[in-house]
Amino acid sequence: GQNIDQPTEMTATEGAIVQINCTYQTSGFNGLFWYQQHAGEAPTFLSYNVLDGLEEKGRFSSFLSRSKGYSYLLLKELQMKDSASYLCAVKEANYQLIWGAGTKLIIKP
Amino acid sequence: ETGVTQTPRHLVMGMTNKKSLKCEQHLGHNAMYWYKQSAKKPLELMFVYNFKEQTENNSVPSRFSPECPNSSHLFLHLHTLQPEDSALYLCASSQVTDSSYEQYFGPGTRLTVT
Repeated sequence: GQNIDQPTEMTATEGAIVQINCTYQTSGFNGLFWYQQHAGEAPTFLSYNVLDGLEEKGRFSSFLSRSKGYSYLLLKELQMKDSASYLCAVKEANYQLIWGAGTKLIIKP
Repeated sequence: ETGVTQTPRHLVMGMTNKKSLKCEQHLGHNAMYWYKQSAKKPLELMFVYNFKEQTENNSVPSRFSPECPNSSHLFLHLHTLQPEDSALYLCASSQVTDSSYEQYFGPGTRLTVT
């Protein structure tokens, strides 16, 4: 069956580094997305990986291993505004994205 | 207006009411989506329209009825809903000719069915 797993909640300290993992089992694979969603707001695009390896974008990086069905989102130099839910989604062969339930990240001073 | 807009932002309706949610995208995209987001659950894709044609209907109950009059506008017509339909309803759009199909989301309509 189709399944996206990510931790429900994580806590980290301001200024630190946190890694949010995502594992997936899907019938097709055409890329993996990470989105950020602040409470009460729309999800916003963070990154897209289709090939194995690390994609870096400022303080945020995303890694993909297709053979392992695994991705992570790495957030460096955490700021209080990074408190949000982080959603992992896999694009299948058609228009559909299969979504994880999201990881709520809490940043403490 | 920029991006994807949705109205209303909040809606409270009884089980016998009929209401409609509206979505408009100002990005020139050719695909639009309706999602349901419930607490602690993955986003559930409800409907997809590509070039105004419905391409996906993920076993959504008939009390939800989508309408896409053009590539910029999307409606979700609601009637005789159930309390378990209370959720955040998100609209999104994308350009299907882009390799990533990145989806841009509206702010959502928070629906409460009483």
